[in-house]
Amino acid sequence: KAGVTQTPRYLIKTRGQQVTLSCSPISGHRSVSWYQQTPGQGLQFLFEYFSETQRNKGNFPGRFSGRQFSNSRSEMNVSTLELGDSALYLCASSLGLAGDRVYNEQFFGPGTRLTVL
Amino acid sequence: GNSVTQMEGPVTLSEEAFLTINCTYTATGYPSLFWYVQYPGEGLQLLLKATKADDKGSNKGFEATYRKETTSFHLEKGSVQVSDSAVYFCALRGGGSYIPTFGRGTSLIVHP
Repeated sequence: KAGVTQTPRYLIKTRGQQVTLSCSPISGHRSVSWYQQTPGQGLQFLFEYFSETQRNKGNFPGRFSGRQFSNSRSEMNVSTLELGDSALYLCASSLGLAGDRVYNEQFFGPGTRLTVL
Repeated sequence: GNSVTQMEGPVTLSEEAFLTINCTYTATGYPSLFWYVQYPGEGLQLLLKATKADDKGSNKGFEATYRKETTSFHLEKGSVQVSDSAVYFCALRGGGSYIPTFGRGTSLIVHP
């Protein structure tokens, strides 16, 4: 099975711009989660989508949004970029949600490295 | 809320040494516990998992046992290799919160 894919792998934007990142989960996985990874804050959970519905959300401002399509692919959008948004954005997919002990392990993509200048 | 605490790194070892990376957690319920590994420039790879008390997860020579009484999930390997050099993350999912929680990561450096 193909793993989780993320596009683009690298992105350079300037302050004030907006950006859209894409994630294709492992075939059959219906849950997609997004994370921001920075040296200072570590891995921080952004949100999780399951069957096209946002199920959980982390503590990020409304500039960060996402959506999931009927084929489980997901996009994340960041509007009005700030310097502090520079990070590695990771997408993870799983068969089940957090409470599903059998199928709740997450599989991560390689990430999108976003640099805001 | 839930939390995960990992030992600070970097951990520096010689090849074939024994590895322990400590991880303790706080959760209101009974979460699933995970160890992930991240190599430079890559995403996280699932290393092993345990879903209930006394479960032992194992993979590629790494092991970790879900200890509910001490709320710990320490990662061990009997003989590390240079190729094990990476950052290791302890994580939990479930257990009263739907927000996945990750530790800060522990960098492991293995010298030949």
